[in-house]
Amino acid sequence: QKEVEQNSGPLSVPEGAIASLNCTYSDRGSQSFFWYRQYSGKSPELIMFIYSNGDKEDGRFTAQLNKASQYVSLLIRDSQPSDSATYLCAVSPGSARQLTFGSGTQLTVLP
Amino acid sequence: DGGITQSPKYLFRKEGQNVTLSCEQNLNHDAMYWYRQDPGQGLRLIYYSQIVNDFQKGDIAEGYSVSREKKESFPLTVTSAQKNPTAFYLCASRRTGLNTEAFFGQGTRLTVV
Repeated sequence: QKEVEQNSGPLSVPEGAIASLNCTYSDRGSQSFFWYRQYSGKSPELIMFIYSNGDKEDGRFTAQLNKASQYVSLLIRDSQPSDSATYLCAVSPGSARQLTFGSGTQLTVLP
Repeated sequence: DGGITQSPKYLFRKEGQNVTLSCEQNLNHDAMYWYRQDPGQGLRLIYYSQIVNDFQKGDIAEGYSVSREKKESFPLTVTSAQKNPTAFYLCASRRTGLNTEAFFGQGTRLTVV
């Protein structure tokens, strides 16, 4: 059973729209959650992290965490073509020191 | 500047050869990780290390080996036992603790010729 699952995509949204990316995880003891962006051929870069239930906003990005539902999401407001990339959800399980990634969702923002 | 350096950027391996990918960090991070990424896929954990002289297998350790003799260095050897090694390899480091993010090197693209 996969530990971290993301909506498979690819996802296309028009410029200026809201992009919604979703992630579920299986380990109820997971403590910390990360969203990374990866451009083609490049290494992942951190966008946001969230540790507590609720919403966390940073500019055009909002991360949402619901530990009871084992669900974390990333909203991108006013999407720009430069947001076109693969978005990776990462989870740090509670009992281990690993950092487990989902398979990623490819986002394309259409001009 | 602090960061993680992977080398080489591109590597070509002949069938039956062992090759070693370098990863060095000067961030004073205790934890280091190796991930493999295949085209269109996410990151799969190969090995990780929390402390010098100690490391644990990840989900896909077969055909790979690592060492952690220094805090700054975590080289990955792709052995001939790894039958399909062509992939993008990413090294990451992280401060010890759950609520810390991982920082990545620029990656090594390995191709079997």
